[in-house]
Amino acid sequence: DIQLTQSPSSLAASVGDRVTITCQASQDIGNRLNWYQQKRGKAPKLLIYDASTLQAGVPAIFSGSGSGTDFTFIISSLQPEDFATYYCQVYDDVLLTFGQGTRLEIK
Amino acid sequence: EVQLVESGGGLVQPGRSLRLSCAVSGFNIEEFAMHWARLVPGTGLEWVAGITWNSDNIHYADSVKGRFTISRDNDKKSLYLQMNSLRPEDTALYYCAKDLRPSYYFGAYYYYALDVWGQGTTVTVSS
Repeated sequence: DIQLTQSPSSLAASVGDRVTITCQASQDIGNRLNWYQQKRGKAPKLLIYDASTLQAGVPAIFSGSGSGTDFTFIISSLQPEDFATYYCQVYDDVLLTFGQGTRLEIK
Repeated sequence: EVQLVESGGGLVQPGRSLRLSCAVSGFNIEEFAMHWARLVPGTGLEWVAGITWNSDNIHYADSVKGRFTISRDNDKKSLYLQMNSLRPEDTALYYCAKDLRPSYYFGAYYYYALDVWGQGTTVTVSS
């Protein structure tokens, strides 16, 4: 099975900061990598699919890139509502696997 | 409005069973694969099981294989998760979710991404 390693596991940042989260796959997964946001007490929300495609209705301050084993998720300018936990997720054959999450907190 | 509403969670003793349900509205359930995922306290999100639009293909995470059964009734616009032999480590908030791509999408995979989620139902396994 494919394993995903997210970095960092937690991060403190300020409103207006540019934030970068990485996700590394244990083997080549092409572009089969999605990103989610989960706020406390809320359901997860799909932000980006296929590594770089923005889901409908998601603001363009979010972006994703990468292919193969190394992927990057960027928030270009943090807003107060962006403090949440972010997960990467791979789809492979018959399984979906999530990374362990990155908790983004207010500095 | 697309909506998924889970029910059936609760407190249950180890070794016992529980059946979760998910009522769907606002889209044609018969066009999409559906999933159960869970938020495990202190750990994060875990995909639990997926089922294709016509129930021909069903898949499970290793952690629940042989104990959980996913099923669907498209006529009733519902998804189910039968959970047997429950363990304390199954304690979580369980979500029903819709797959991103419809059945007629010409792709190589059964499942892709989870684009619509319910609000979840809590399962606590404890004596």
